[in-house]
Order: sequence, then C-alpha cells, then structure tokens
Amino acid sequence: SAVISQKPSRDICQRGTSLTIQCQVDSQVTMMFWYRQQPGQSLTLIATANQGSEATYESGFVIDKFPISRPNLTFSTLTVSNMSPEDSSIYLCSVDGLAGDYEQYFGPGTRLTVT
Amino acid sequence: GQQLNQSPQSMFIQEGEDVSMNCTSSSIFNTWLWYKQDPGEGPVLLIALYKAGELTSNGRLTAQFGITRKDSFLNISASIPSDVGIYFCAGQPLGRQGAQKLVFGQGTRLTINP
Repeated sequence: SAVISQKPSRDICQRGTSLTIQCQVDSQVTMMFWYRQQPGQSLTLIATANQGSEATYESGFVIDKFPISRPNLTFSTLTVSNMSPEDSSIYLCSVDGLAGDYEQYFGPGTRLTVT
Repeated sequence: GQQLNQSPQSMFIQEGEDVSMNCTSSSIFNTWLWYKQDPGEGPVLLIALYKAGELTSNGRLTAQFGITRKDSFLNISASIPSDVGIYFCAGQPLGRQGAQKLVFGQGTRLTINP
C-alpha cells in the first residue's frame, strides 16, 4: 500500500483564520479523499478529489468552506476556511488502492483545535 | 443515506479473551472493510471482503461477509494488549460502484485489562 503523509500533524488556530492541510503520497493514485473525524466520532467523507477536475463534495460540505486542490497524482490540499470551534476535528486524507478494488488507505491525520 | 450499525460500541475484556463485533445495514453492500485506529493515528486496513459468504483471516483476526450482503463480523482471538484501539467497519453500498465512496460504522472501542 502507499505511504501517505500529512502536514501539519496538529495545529491550534484562532477562530476566523484558515488552515491548509497537505497530503502527500509516495506513488501516483487516481482518487484521493478527505474525511473529518470529530472527537470520539466516526469518519465522515468531506469530498473526493481527482486530478484535473473539481472536487466532489458530500452533502453538508461546501467548496467555500473546504476548498480542495489536486494539482497532480501524488498531492492534495484541504483548506478549512473561516474556522470556528466546531471545526475542531481530525482531518484525514485517504487514497484508493489498486485499480478494481475499493480499499482506501489513510494518512496519519491532522488534529485541528480551533480556539 | 446508507448507514452502518456497528456493535458493540465498546468492549472491556481480559487479555487472552476472544472478541467479536459486527456491522449491519438495511441495504446491500458490495464490499466490507475492517479498520483499526490507534490514538493519534489514521485508520489501518485490517481485512477486505468482496464476496458474500467470504471468510478471511489475518493472523488472529477473522472477518466474514454476510450471506445477505447486509452484514459483516470481525473476530479477534486470544486478545493481547496491542489489540487496544477503535475498530471501524466500512462498506461500499450496492449501486455506488465506480464512486468508491465508503460508509463507516460508528466504531467499537476495545479496552483490554491485563
């Protein structure tokens, strides 16, 4: 499976500011996904990012709040904009596995605290 | 949207005991995956299941894709301290092939008393 890194690993931010989270993969992948995991909760898909096209957002998530870039097949960013304390969560990126299966492999996550 | 009901939500067991957890859905799933998440880490894929009735093992872990395609279970035999963590089931609902979007269960938090 691919090796996935995220930056930053954690951050404490003030409300009203924005944070960009980077996800780097050591091999080319077709699909990258961004998830949010609120404290003590399960994973919720924010959006799917394919290279060369606009990200596809899930219900309840909008591009103005969570803009995503996917400039190439090994990198993606998620920005959390105009943050509020409710945005305090772990943000995880994942990538798809080999062609034809539906496995996803996750990065270590970015733990965000908004004060 | 589809939801997965994962149970139990938490388990407190003695080291050496066997563990069983399951996920159910009201709709049919094409794929069932089981993940483990340690504190401060991302989920790690343990087992992937693709066929109804499929039974797959990974060391002390065994998982099955239910015959009805609406459920899956994960068993851990002879638990050890490093099994502590949160276990998530995830699945890809029928009809979403190509979308590769996973639905996750609520998680089972496993605590082991030495």
